[in-house]
Amino acid sequence: EDKVVQSPLSLVVHEGDTVTLNCSYEVTNFRSLLWYKQEKKAPTFLFMLTSSGIEKKSGRLSSILDKKELFSILNITATQTGDSAVYLCAVEATSYGKLTFGQGTILTVHP
Amino acid sequence: NAGVTQTPKFRILKIGQSMTLQCTQDMNHNYMYWYRQDPGMGLKLIYYSVGAGITDKGEVPNGYNVSRSTTEDFPLRLELAAPSQTSVYFCASSYRDKETQYFGPGTRLLVL
Repeated sequence: EDKVVQSPLSLVVHEGDTVTLNCSYEVTNFRSLLWYKQEKKAPTFLFMLTSSGIEKKSGRLSSILDKKELFSILNITATQTGDSAVYLCAVEATSYGKLTFGQGTILTVHP
Repeated sequence: NAGVTQTPKFRILKIGQSMTLQCTQDMNHNYMYWYRQDPGMGLKLIYYSVGAGITDKGEVPNGYNVSRSTTEDFPLRLELAAPSQTSVYFCASSYRDKETQYFGPGTRLLVL
């Protein structure tokens, strides 16, 4: 059975801090790993990672995948209150785009 | 482009009642998915479809049915609602395999 585990489950920081969210996976036929941000409603897409060691960046957010260690991290620098959300990691491991999601990390950023 | 739309936004059902959650996308995507998200948990795949007329089970299909008669619509049917089906349901779509999935706003369902 495919498994995706995220850590920590929750994190409380102050504005300006840097955070690192972790995602480890055990799947057969890995195809890609995705990060989503979920605020109140539907998740919104952040990154898709398919190759090891290539960092994806978008503003203060960045992510990297290690396919040998079956691990990905999501970094957020200079956090803002607007970064408060649940961050979901998902792995695509079949030919039909099916995603297995982790349980999410709840990030709270205080002013 | 409305993207992925879901109706209703919220519904309360009594045990044993039936209902259909509607999902429509206007992006001409081939792939569509239904997920449920329980409190504090990640999303779990219920059913998915790779095109009109083709559906398959996901991780947690029991108690649900789907159909895909058109590219745009992918309704999810609950036949005999149970309290364990209390959850938030998300529909998603993507154009092809390996492409980003776009999510609808979700339907919150409470079964009492």
